[in-house]
Amino acid sequence: EVILVESGGGLVRPGGSLRLSCVASGFTFTNSWMSWVRQRPGKRLEWVGRIKSKGDGGAKDYAAPVEGRFTISRDDSKSTVYLQMSSLKTEDTAVYYCVTASYYSGLSQWGQGTLVTVSS
Amino acid sequence: DIQMTQSPSSLSTSVGDRVTITCRASQAIRSDLGWFQQKPGKAPKRLIYAASSLQSGVPSRFSGSGSVTDFTLTISGLQPEDFATYYCLQYNSYPWTFGQGTKVAIK
Repeated sequence: EVILVESGGGLVRPGGSLRLSCVASGFTFTNSWMSWVRQRPGKRLEWVGRIKSKGDGGAKDYAAPVEGRFTISRDDSKSTVYLQMSSLKTEDTAVYYCVTASYYSGLSQWGQGTLVTVSS
Repeated sequence: DIQMTQSPSSLSTSVGDRVTITCRASQAIRSDLGWFQQKPGKAPKRLIYAASSLQSGVPSRFSGSGSVTDFTLTISGLQPEDFATYYCLQYNSYPWTFGQGTKVAIK
């Protein structure tokens, strides 16, 4: 069974930073692409970014609203993917989900999500 | 960016009804489309990938069809647990983009 557990959410001031973690189990993490998706209160789902497996080059892609402020990384030895968020804005307030991804089938298994609130 | 337009935005229906939700892409995406179900306060769950492939464990009353720009999710014989919001996702090109969602409510 695929299990993804996010952590690291919380309240942060505008302009601040936060790092989210997602620990994975139940599948071969090393071979997997991983994505982050967010959902602002009452809004549609929004793809944030993706990191490929190291075997596929480890490339990263981001959505325009977070490009240059957010960074996705991975530690295959810990089966963990991270989302480093900096220069946070109030509009970054959302539930952030960690999701398995692939070229062939898009997004697949989702974590339970972690809430990030950016407010003064 | 590829825009995904879902319709309707919401609908009211009854248990046992057949429900059809459509998703239109602003440009061709082959069959690189998935459908997700989300219940309040919960993470989304994938129902369909590659436009028409049923996710393992998902009931066969859910089906997907379409290609290129026009796609459909059909629920044949709505069950009480199917009242939720449904989203389409294109993964043909970055950034991956979702439709605005369709809320299926009880009439």
